[in-house]
Amino acid sequence: DGGITQSPKYLFRKEGQNVTLSCEQNLNHDAMYWYRQDPGQGLRLIYYSQIVNDFQKGDIAEGYSVSREKKESFPLTVTSAQKNPTAFYLCASSISAGVNQPQHFGDGTRLSIL
Amino acid sequence: GDSVTQMEGPVTLSEEAFLTINCTYTATGYPSLFWYVQYPGEGLQLLLKATKADDKGSNKGFEATYRKETTSFHLEKGSVQVSDSAVYFCALRNAGNMLTFGGGTRLMVKP
Repeated sequence: DGGITQSPKYLFRKEGQNVTLSCEQNLNHDAMYWYRQDPGQGLRLIYYSQIVNDFQKGDIAEGYSVSREKKESFPLTVTSAQKNPTAFYLCASSISAGVNQPQHFGDGTRLSIL
Repeated sequence: GDSVTQMEGPVTLSEEAFLTINCTYTATGYPSLFWYVQYPGEGLQLLLKATKADDKGSNKGFEATYRKETTSFHLEKGSVQVSDSAVYFCALRNAGNMLTFGGGTRLMVKP
């Protein structure tokens, strides 16, 4: 089945450590996105990529980095510069960045600080 | 910039009750509008969408009509079930922009 796979489902980070969240899609979608969701709140855009080898900062990019070396993969690194990384992270993709295109979401990764 | 405002939850209903979750938006141009649903511990699933004024999106008994004159996209369902308990997000997508989400509305349906 086609879909978006995020791993791991739960992740723990020590202070000062970088961690990388995986996002893979086999939908042949051009565009991919990373969101952060805090308890009881909506989603905020971290980074997005409309095409391979290109990505743009979203609303809250500080303390995060991404790469898009392959169409199907869009990993997110939470760096030690992100002072409040505990959150639920959601990856999404869409056929393109067009207005009418809905985004399809993975099941998320919950990141906690030890 | 673009923004989406949803009614605050939680919304608590008895099974078979009528549901309305209000959503209004502010945007330039002609955005597309979406409703997403999030079940506990999961990602978001697209529930329905509408791409132009007066379009009605529908899925699984849920409906929402794109009202440009009132800049609204209210979600309705005639008879809710316990399994509908989730958080519902209204969102818009405008040309050149990404999705803009509302804050989410938690629905709790009691047997």
